[in-house]
Amino acid sequence: QKEVEQNSGPLSVPEGAIASLNCTYSDRGSQSFFWYRQYSGKSPELIMFIYSNGDKEDGRFTAQLNKASQYVSLLIRDSQPSDSATYLCAVWGDSSYKLIFGSGTRLLVRP
Amino acid sequence: SAVISQKPSRDICQRGTSLTIQCQVDSQVTMMFWYRQQPGQSLTLIATANQGSEATYESGFVIDKFPISRPNLTFSTLTVSNMSPEDSSIYLCSVAWGGRATADEQFFGPGTRLTVL
Repeated sequence: QKEVEQNSGPLSVPEGAIASLNCTYSDRGSQSFFWYRQYSGKSPELIMFIYSNGDKEDGRFTAQLNKASQYVSLLIRDSQPSDSATYLCAVWGDSSYKLIFGSGTRLLVRP
Repeated sequence: SAVISQKPSRDICQRGTSLTIQCQVDSQVTMMFWYRQQPGQSLTLIATANQGSEATYESGFVIDKFPISRPNLTFSTLTVSNMSPEDSSIYLCSVAWGGRATADEQFFGPGTRLTVL
């Protein structure tokens, strides 16, 4: 089992729709969770982080964390073509003491 | 967040040679990291660059192949030694920001795209 798992996609949504990106992790002791956006040919850009169970909203982005289910998600409301990118889930491994990345989900927002 | 720069942004090298990548941060940071991202793949941590002591390497990465320096709290270098085409990748410097030495948000530099012929 991979430490951080994401569906590789692509996830295709129409412009204006809600895009839902999911991530599961194996280290039950993990406390810190991050979402990065990576455009093709660019470096990852931190867009959200969440430490507590529940929802955290920032503009069009909402991160959701359920530690009991070891599940993190990112919702993007009113998706725009400019949101088309690969979204990387990252988890700080309390046992490995490092940031562990999932393989990323490619999002395509159709105009 | 910190402003991170890397040099060179890209390079094409011959096999058997070495390349040193520089990472400069505009603020003092405790934790600096080096990652590799091979084509179409996610990020793999190479090592944590520790100021004033040897770097901490991840499984599969060794100091002879990837020597790292961290002379101060704003600068680090990664050398890719005795390169082969399998070393063709994007190399990314990252810093942890926020004061805590552990699970802080990490920010990435623009990356160095390396091609080995």
